[in-house]
Amino acid sequence: DTGVSQNPRHKITKRGQNVTFRCDPISEHNRLYWYRQTLGQGPEFLTYFQNEAQLEKSRLLSDRFSAERPKGSFSTLEIQRTEQGDSAMYLCASRRWGQGANEQFFGPGTRLTVL
Amino acid sequence: GQQLNQSPQSMFIQEGEDVSMNCTSSSIFNTWLWYKQDPGEGPVLLIALYKAGELTSNGRLTAQFGITRKDSFLNISASIPSDVGIYFCAGHQYNFNKFYFGSGTKLNVKP
Repeated sequence: DTGVSQNPRHKITKRGQNVTFRCDPISEHNRLYWYRQTLGQGPEFLTYFQNEAQLEKSRLLSDRFSAERPKGSFSTLEIQRTEQGDSAMYLCASRRWGQGANEQFFGPGTRLTVL
Repeated sequence: GQQLNQSPQSMFIQEGEDVSMNCTSSSIFNTWLWYKQDPGEGPVLLIALYKAGELTSNGRLTAQFGITRKDSFLNISASIPSDVGIYFCAGHQYNFNKFYFGSGTKLNVKP
């Protein structure tokens, strides 16, 4: 399967702990996006990378959130000092930018529960 | 951010019926995408639209890019139980280099 993959699929943590999620995009895709989705809502943009460069961060992304894509392939999203309000589905998506098509493909998501 | 208004919020239909849903915005988009999401999973891309007025089909699904570039429509013909899920529209603008999502239409199909 050459789709977008995310790990772990589920994470339960206690408030105040740090968590890290991983996303492996489709291999030839140069753009990678992170979204957060809460119940009853569509995905909300958090940040995106072109290759290894982080080009934009949403105001939703507090200082406790950091994302990296060190070699322009996989990406990690870390949340420090988690709060109950961080509980959500974290989605990763990728696309091939620069070739006309704007199709964006999602991974299965990581469901975070903060107790 | 940009606001996409998706309607209806939910639908309850009988198997075999046709379904229509739409997405509107106050802003112009250059691309519209339609996704389906099952519980606990990521959204799956159904259809991509790139030109105003474009009509594109994928099996029983047909989507249209509105001529004003501020709206899009998705139709599902002869619905079946596996069509159950939440359908999201997403719009893309070159200026902002990202996608904005509607809040979804939840579809329930009664066998």
